[in-house]
Amino acid sequence: AQSVTQPDIHITVSEGASLELRCNYSYGATPYLFWYVQSPGQGLQLLLKYFSGDTLVQGIKGFEAEFKRSQSSFNLRKPSVHWSDAAEYFCAVGARSGGSYIPTFGRGTSLIVHP
Amino acid sequence: GAVVSQHPSRVICKSGTSVKIECRSLDFQATTMFWYRQFPKQSLMLMATSNEGSKATYEQGVEKDKFLINHASLTLSTLTVTSAHPEDSSFYICSASNPRDRGNYGYTFGSGTRLTVV
Repeated sequence: AQSVTQPDIHITVSEGASLELRCNYSYGATPYLFWYVQSPGQGLQLLLKYFSGDTLVQGIKGFEAEFKRSQSSFNLRKPSVHWSDAAEYFCAVGARSGGSYIPTFGRGTSLIVHP
Repeated sequence: GAVVSQHPSRVICKSGTSVKIECRSLDFQATTMFWYRQFPKQSLMLMATSNEGSKATYEQGVEKDKFLINHASLTLSTLTVTSAHPEDSSFYICSASNPRDRGNYGYTFGSGTRLTVV
């Protein structure tokens, strides 16, 4: 069975600083990997996804993530954080089930942005 | 892009009553919908997978008689929390997937429902 580990429960950065959120996964085959963002009391918004091809994936809102098979990692990065980026971030690995992909989520990392 | 509408966004109910939550795909046909439960400061836990026109598949530990799921059409799935108790208070989120939409391999999530049982 697949699993996802987000080792950091909270990350605090200053506005304008760079950001890296860590994600490690466990899956027996080539993984389908996702990063989602959740604002308080809201659903999840897809930031980016990786299925195959270029291991550096560009997403919305200036985010990118790099798939490193040797490290079983899919870390999320942003070169300059904005105050509006404060939210909960979830990494997920998708396992194929029939015609669908069922995601397993990490516990999430809460991003706090200081002015 | 694909949009999933979830209603209500918040609901408060008395202990012992039932509450229905709706999840609608607005601009695509969702052959599969998923229901998640999220506890404060925790991850999303998959409760069940529902396929249009068939019975839902529940995850281990989820009471199917308490959490009734109906996926009667390609655009609507409902979750009914029956005989709700305070421990059922949580944030419930649905998501929808359309395998025929090859451009969207991820999931589209609803905005969630905050259920408070008093």
